[in-house]
Amino acid sequence: GAVVSQHPSRVICKSGTSVKIECRSLDFQATTMFWYRQFPKQSLMLMATSNEGSKATYEQGVEKDKFLINHASLTLSTLTVTSAHPEDSSFYICSARGQKDYEQYFGPGTRLTVT
Amino acid sequence: GQNIDQPTEMTATEGAIVQINCTYQTSGFNGLFWYQQHAGEAPTFLSYNVLDGLEEKGRFSSFLSRSKGYSYLLLKELQMKDSASYLCASLDSNYQLIWGAGTKLIIKP
Repeated sequence: GAVVSQHPSRVICKSGTSVKIECRSLDFQATTMFWYRQFPKQSLMLMATSNEGSKATYEQGVEKDKFLINHASLTLSTLTVTSAHPEDSSFYICSARGQKDYEQYFGPGTRLTVT
Repeated sequence: GQNIDQPTEMTATEGAIVQINCTYQTSGFNGLFWYQQHAGEAPTFLSYNVLDGLEEKGRFSSFLSRSKGYSYLLLKELQMKDSASYLCASLDSNYQLIWGAGTKLIIKP
């Protein structure tokens, strides 16, 4: 099956610093990648949708200048949390959609803790 | 508006059968997904239904009625490892997944 990796799996950073999270589709080309955030005991919240080679589409309420998304190739998308604050601490999950079907393949997630 | 409803929590006994229901109202419809999510982990795909009827896959089955905007996930021969959250998601006209809040399933011995 399709495999999506995320790196790092866990990161702790200090308030005010920036953190980059990578999402890679390992054995397929992902035309579209999605970035989700999930707070404890809550459902997935879509942050943005990115298509390779174009600007990401952000959901309402998500600051595009704070959460920078780059989808430079068909196998890699990155999410950079800029000037992180403790309230940004969450579980960030990416998913990738291939060209053949509409299933989203999820990465294992990145747990971000901002101190 | 778009809305996905599923129960917040359910409890079942090991070895038994449980049915998790999901109703959806989305702008357009291109299929219904069920995902399983263990605590602290990302969701994993369970099933996809786009036509009416029952799809069986081992111990898990998923049912869809498009006219009723209704789906259910049926889990048979429950095992302790099935304790997880089960997420229902509808694929809307823009091929975007609209997620339910998830049903936490607790399995008791």
